Amino acid sequence: AQSVTQLDSQVPVFEEAPVELRCNYSSSVSVYLFWYVQYPNQGLQLLLKYLSGSTLVKGINGFEAEFNKSQTSFHLRKPSVHISDTAEYFCAVIPLSGSARQLTFGSGTQLTVLP
Amino acid sequence: GAGVSQSPSNKVTEKGKDVELRCDPISGHTALYWYRQSLGQGLEFLIYFQGNSAPDKSGLPSDRFSAERTGGSVSTLTIQRTQQEDSAVYLCASGAGTDNSPLHFGNGTRLTVT
Repeated sequence: AQSVTQLDSQVPVFEEAPVELRCNYSSSVSVYLFWYVQYPNQGLQLLLKYLSGSTLVKGINGFEAEFNKSQTSFHLRKPSVHISDTAEYFCAVIPLSGSARQLTFGSGTQLTVLP
Repeated sequence: GAGVSQSPSNKVTEKGKDVELRCDPISGHTALYWYRQSLGQGLEFLIYFQGNSAPDKSGLPSDRFSAERTGGSVSTLTIQRTQQEDSAVYLCASGAGTDNSPLHFGNGTRLTVT
């Protein structure tokens, strides 16, 4: 089985400041990794995903994430946030093999961008 | 429409009643998931349908919960004899069915059990 840990449940940050949302995972097999964003009263939207290749992946809205296999981390970053980035962010993994093929989510990080 | 559609968007029910939540996935998507999102918590996996394979029901919290997917398209999540702890947002997602294909989520059904 796999698990995802998002260490920060709430991250307040001022507008135009950089932000990092942390994600660590645990899995006995290789995984694909994803970041999703949920705006208020909406479903989740894909921000970015890591499948293979370059460990630095770029997504929508200026976000990027870096896969670190040795640290089993997939932290999400943005160099300068906007008010509109206020949302909940979920890290997720899916194993490449095994019987538990469902996408497993972390508990989420609420990013609040302050003016 | 082009996205995943869920209905109703809000449902208030009395404790002990049965409820049915509906999900219309994106046309052609073979994978369909149900998740539950409780206040202040992450997404709890409930059930996963993939094509004609037997569904993965390992996330259903009790035998009061069941789900069907008719004709490989529309899915219905049924909760029998609802309890207050069932109150949550129920999210449906569909995907192309490959491991690396992203999921497309509906806006969810907010269930309140009084």
